[in-house]
Amino acid sequence: AQSVTQLGSHVSVSEGALVLLRCNYSSSVPPYLFWYVQYPNQGLQLLLKYTTGATLVKGINGFEAEFKKSETSFHLTKPSAHMSDAAEYFCAVIDSGTYKYIFGTGTRLKVLA
Amino acid sequence: GAGVSQSPSNKVTEKGKDVELRCDPISGHTALYWYRQRLGQGLEFLIYFQGNSAPDKSGLPSDRFSAERTGESVSTLTIQRTQQEDSAVYLCASSVRQGTYEQYFGPGTRLTVT
Repeated sequence: AQSVTQLGSHVSVSEGALVLLRCNYSSSVPPYLFWYVQYPNQGLQLLLKYTTGATLVKGINGFEAEFKKSETSFHLTKPSAHMSDAAEYFCAVIDSGTYKYIFGTGTRLKVLA
Repeated sequence: GAGVSQSPSNKVTEKGKDVELRCDPISGHTALYWYRQRLGQGLEFLIYFQGNSAPDKSGLPSDRFSAERTGESVSTLTIQRTQQEDSAVYLCASSVRQGTYEQYFGPGTRLTVT
């Protein structure tokens, strides 16, 4: 069965600093991996996804993630944090049988001025 | 081009009452998913529909929870005899069809059981 682990329930970075949010997955089949962002009192918005092909995936708002099969990781990065990046971020893997998402527990990103 | 909508946005109910939560998916999306997000936790899958049928109900926490979908459109999630542990945000998502990996989420319904 697939699973997702997000290390760090809370991450704080200074404005302009590198953002690194960690995600490790477990899957017996080639995974489809996603990062979603949730702003306060809003639904989830897709940041980026990996299905097949290039392992470095670029998403919206300057975020990117790299699929590393050897490390079973799909960490999310952004070179320079902006105040508007403060939100909760969820990593997810898709169940290959039902196509339902299996989410990590989320990482709340705080950006310090 | 409306997205996924959910109603109500907030619901406060007394323990023991029944509640109905509504989801309007994006027009033409045949797959619909319900998730629950408890405070400080990730999202947990409840049920999904392909058309009007629900092939996977494995996430429904108890027989107090049920869901239906009609006309390959609107879905309602019903919680009977609500308990305090049912307090959560209930999120709905839709996708073009099963096997299309991108799901579009609604803003959620925040349910508080007092």
